[in-house]
Amino acid sequence: QQQVKQSPQSLIVQKGGISIINCAYENTAFDYFPWYQQFPGKGPALLIAIRPDVSEKKEGRFTISFNKSAKQFSLHIMDSQPGDSATYFCAAGNTGTASKLTFGTGTRLQVTL
Amino acid sequence: DAGVIQSPRHEVTEMGQEVTLRCKPISGHNSLFWYRQTMMRGLELLIYFNNNVPIDDSGMPEDRFSAKMPNASFSTLKIQPSEPRDSAVYFCASIRQGALTGELFFGEGSRLTVL
Repeated sequence: QQQVKQSPQSLIVQKGGISIINCAYENTAFDYFPWYQQFPGKGPALLIAIRPDVSEKKEGRFTISFNKSAKQFSLHIMDSQPGDSATYFCAAGNTGTASKLTFGTGTRLQVTL
Repeated sequence: DAGVIQSPRHEVTEMGQEVTLRCKPISGHNSLFWYRQTMMRGLELLIYFNNNVPIDDSGMPEDRFSAKMPNASFSTLKIQPSEPRDSAVYFCASIRQGALTGELFFGEGSRLTVL
């Protein structure tokens, strides 16, 4: 019940296109859904996060869409740029349990020119 | 402010040897996490500490793995004896409990290769 399923495993998008990564969770107690971005040789870093009281959150070119009834959330990267090429992890957690996050398996995004 | 500091960045060792990975969390952070990252399994939580006390070590693979946090500014993850299947990148992360953003700060990782 702690699993977070992420797809696709890898994604190639042309510059200027939209990148979409999807995640699904099982534990209805989760109330915090962050996305982390990881560049090669670096640790993951928080990109954007959402809580279930809203269905969408936008920060610049990055948008999280959240569907509580379906237990799904997704990351949309608008106008994708080569600098966005990285591995993206979705995660889910319960803020009542010391920020212990369950991570998805990651999506390797490559944005081509 | 300095981020989470991990050492060594790279470690190559032979099967059977002891490996010790080190982590210095961000000052003022009171929770520390050890993760392991592999291509096959992604990011796996091994153990986490609150106020230097281990809270959940259910992710530790087996008795060969142990972790300590003797004080608020230092933690170690030890593997003894090491095996080739332990080859992975090990990340340490920290957070200040009660922080509004809930952001987990990761170090740059320790890449372990066991031959």
